[in-house]
Amino acid sequence: DAGVIQSPRHEVTEMGQEVTLRCKPISGHNSLFWYRQTMMRGLELLIYFNNNVPIDDSGMPEDRFSAKMPNASFSTLKIQPSEPRDSAVYFCASSLQGIGGYTFGSGTRLTVV
Amino acid sequence: TQLLEQSPQFLSIQEGENLTVYCNSSSVFSSLQWYRQEPGEGPVLLVTVVTGGEVKKLKRLTFQFGDARKDSSLHITAAQPGDTGLYLCAGVGSGAGSYQLTFGKGTKLSVIP
Repeated sequence: DAGVIQSPRHEVTEMGQEVTLRCKPISGHNSLFWYRQTMMRGLELLIYFNNNVPIDDSGMPEDRFSAKMPNASFSTLKIQPSEPRDSAVYFCASSLQGIGGYTFGSGTRLTVV
Repeated sequence: TQLLEQSPQFLSIQEGENLTVYCNSSSVFSSLQWYRQEPGEGPVLLVTVVTGGEVKKLKRLTFQFGDARKDSSLHITAAQPGDTGLYLCAGVGSGAGSYQLTFGKGTKLSVIP
């Protein structure tokens, strides 16, 4: 298994532009999570999907952030419009609910200038 | 909000030394996980501890879950440069929150050859 695959690995964009981050979870995992990691705040849960349905989006900072999971093998996190304070590393993780730990992707390092 | 405090925040030691890092909370967790994160990568699960007082060993790493399931420690014997990384503890909720991992901010360990 190739693990959780995220793209792009790095993204540099200008303030105000739309950014889309992509994630392919591990096949067979039915839970998917988007996290954001910064030095100040550590790892923060943004949104949790179970069986492709958003269950908890209370961590999404504001309406500029949206996430979708159209099928079991793909999810996106979109920021529109992006702001410099959105600069962080964004991780996608998947798990088989209730069993074992999370498997994280390698992350997308987002820089908004 | 369940918070996990990790200490120390930074630790730099010589190869061959022993060390202990701590993870503390005022909340009770159903289980607790430890992850290691290397630069440019996502966290990787090391171990899950479930029972209060449980001790698990992974080669030179010893993990302990507190009796009250509010705290945990990680002890590394004879540290090696390959142990360098960010060590994160994560508490697993219970009931409706059982999907959610609450992460500490981590202990950044540097092992100097």
